[in-house]
Amino acid sequence: DQQVKQNSPSLSVQEGRISILNCDYTNSMFDYFLWYKKYPAEGPTFLISISSIKDKNEDGRFTVFLNKSAKHLSLHIVPSQPGDSAVYFCAASQGSSNTGKLIFGQGTTLQVKP
Amino acid sequence: NAGVMQNPRHLVRRRGQEARLRCSPMKGHSHVYWYRQLPEEGLKFMVYLQKENIIDESGMPKERFSAEFPKEGPSILRIQQVVRGDSAAYFCASSEAGGSQSYEQYFGPGTRLTVT
Repeated sequence: DQQVKQNSPSLSVQEGRISILNCDYTNSMFDYFLWYKKYPAEGPTFLISISSIKDKNEDGRFTVFLNKSAKHLSLHIVPSQPGDSAVYFCAASQGSSNTGKLIFGQGTTLQVKP
Repeated sequence: NAGVMQNPRHLVRRRGQEARLRCSPMKGHSHVYWYRQLPEEGLKFMVYLQKENIIDESGMPKERFSAEFPKEGPSILRIQQVVRGDSAAYFCASSEAGGSQSYEQYFGPGTRLTVT
């Protein structure tokens, strides 16, 4: 039962353009969402997060949008840079469960071409 | 400002042997999480520990796997009698707060276990 889904395994964009990574979830009890970036042979690095009481959170070139009614979130990177090439995971948490368990999507590999 | 440390980075075991994976959380963090990533998949939660306590082990296989986080020293994930299906990357994460406030977890570089 995949509660967090990233349906696009890969995405390729040109340097300077916008990258949009998408994530869908099924559990309406999730109340916090995170994006992690992962390079090969390294651990995931926290990028940006959003609480379910918000619909947008911005940090520099990264913006996360949350559409609760559609159970959908997206990560926008603008402008995209070659160093952004990595695997991006979205993750969700259910705070009321009193556990720190994060549920991850399968990941989307982003390639930014110079 | 050391991050989460894991060792070894690579571990090769023959079927039937034991694997021990170690994790030292970030300074000031007392909450530790273990995740497993199989090839071509996302990370799957295994267990959440605080010092000397297992809080949530709902993602741990019922047999052969155990975890601890003693009062002193690193957290240990132990896999007994390894099988080929245990080959994966095992990531440890830590957070300063726990439970509903433990959202921002910081990950170590992982241990890549290969079972031959």
